Amino acid sequence: SQQGEEDPQALSIQEGENATMNCSYKTSINNLQWYRQNSGRGLVHLILIRSNEREKHSGRLRVTLDTSKKSSSLLITASRAADTASYFCATVSGSARQLTFGSGTQLTVLP
Amino acid sequence: DAMVIQNPRYQVTQFGKPVTLSCSQTLNHNVMYWYQQKSSQAPKLLFHYYDKDFNNEADTPDNFQSRRPNTSFCFLDIRSPGLGDAAMYLCATSRRPTSGSVGETQYFGPGTRLLVL
Repeated sequence: SQQGEEDPQALSIQEGENATMNCSYKTSINNLQWYRQNSGRGLVHLILIRSNEREKHSGRLRVTLDTSKKSSSLLITASRAADTASYFCATVSGSARQLTFGSGTQLTVLP
Repeated sequence: DAMVIQNPRYQVTQFGKPVTLSCSQTLNHNVMYWYQQKSSQAPKLLFHYYDKDFNNEADTPDNFQSRRPNTSFCFLDIRSPGLGDAAMYLCATSRRPTSGSVGETQYFGPGTRLLVL
């Protein structure tokens, strides 16, 4: 069953602006991961944040995790047209170890 | 470059005609996964292998089967495709979680888009 819900479902911004996507989940997690998917392609791993971490950075990406609220956010700074894609959060819970994906946010960056 | 390869990229089959999708990896990862992704939806895990150990998700239809003859290859067999099986099928790999690990990054192939006529 789907663990994560993401909002917004779709986001359209101008190049150079920041994009923020949010993910909420229902059960306790071991870690939360963010993936990117270009149209008609496979998923690419962006960043992993563990349950005992609150914030993580990778290049123009910043991820936060609030386990008390069961939520995470992905911030993309200084967006580019090439950032246009769908972004999914995915959680790992308990002993299952496999990913459960959220519903995704479709980001469009206009040049 | 180490990677996950899926063939074919596009597959057209007829209603009820068995079809096999293939996945290979050069990452030497222990774990391989098959996901189904329908339009504008999240990927849904069908099953996965820890080495040769097969793990089926509870809600994966019996129509879907999988084989993993060796570390590098994994196949998805759809015995009698229906119109509702038209989707993107994604293969992924990861390292086997070690003691104390909290879940591994998955590496995805480009996917096979299946069309059922």
